[in-house]
Amino acid sequence: DAKTTQPTSMDCAEGRAANLPCNHSTISGNEYVYWYRQIHSQGPQYIIHGLKNNETNEMASLIITEDRKSSTLILPHATLRDTAVYYCIVSRAQKLVFGQGTRLTINP
Amino acid sequence: EAGVTQSPTHLIKTRGQQATLRCSPISGHTSVYWYQQALGLGLQFLLWYDEGEERNRGNFPPRFSGRQFPNYSSELNVNALELEDSALYLCASSLALMANTGELFFGEGSRLTVL
Repeated sequence: DAKTTQPTSMDCAEGRAANLPCNHSTISGNEYVYWYRQIHSQGPQYIIHGLKNNETNEMASLIITEDRKSSTLILPHATLRDTAVYYCIVSRAQKLVFGQGTRLTINP
Repeated sequence: EAGVTQSPTHLIKTRGQQATLRCSPISGHTSVYWYQQALGLGLQFLLWYDEGEERNRGNFPPRFSGRQFPNYSSELNVNALELEDSALYLCASSLALMANTGELFFGEGSRLTVL
């Protein structure tokens, strides 16, 4: 599975869009990009995933560059409840390998 | 619809003992995954079961083992407990073709403390 690189931490003001970057320069053609988040002391929660095209759901948008070497998760209107560790994962198999993630703090 | 349930919520053992953790997947899910999250660390993949078979295993010693029952529930056993086994153990389930849905559903975890 390809490795990912994410910033250790980020801050965002409440109500603003939170843009979380992820580099996955060694991604292969059949690997998906997944995003999960883990709010303190809870199990991780699925957010979104994609292969090539940009994706949007009720939680977030996923922008994948044309060369697929990086992606950005966008939380359009961040709230305090979005404070969590966000994991970007690249995988083709039934095994998700979690890295250290980005600790996102939403400030009032 | 009930989510992934894990038991016990907390478990305290001493070194050398054995721990058994249990997981019930979401109804209709056939795949069960186990992850270990030690304090301050990321999630480490332990095991994946599907249709009663072990499909993949992470880089853990053989004293970590498990099984999946015909009703798709699963057990994780840790033998000869060591202090560093203290962690939150997370179970997740998915439909068989997870890659198509991209979604693992996690339980709230079992916190194992080894004294």
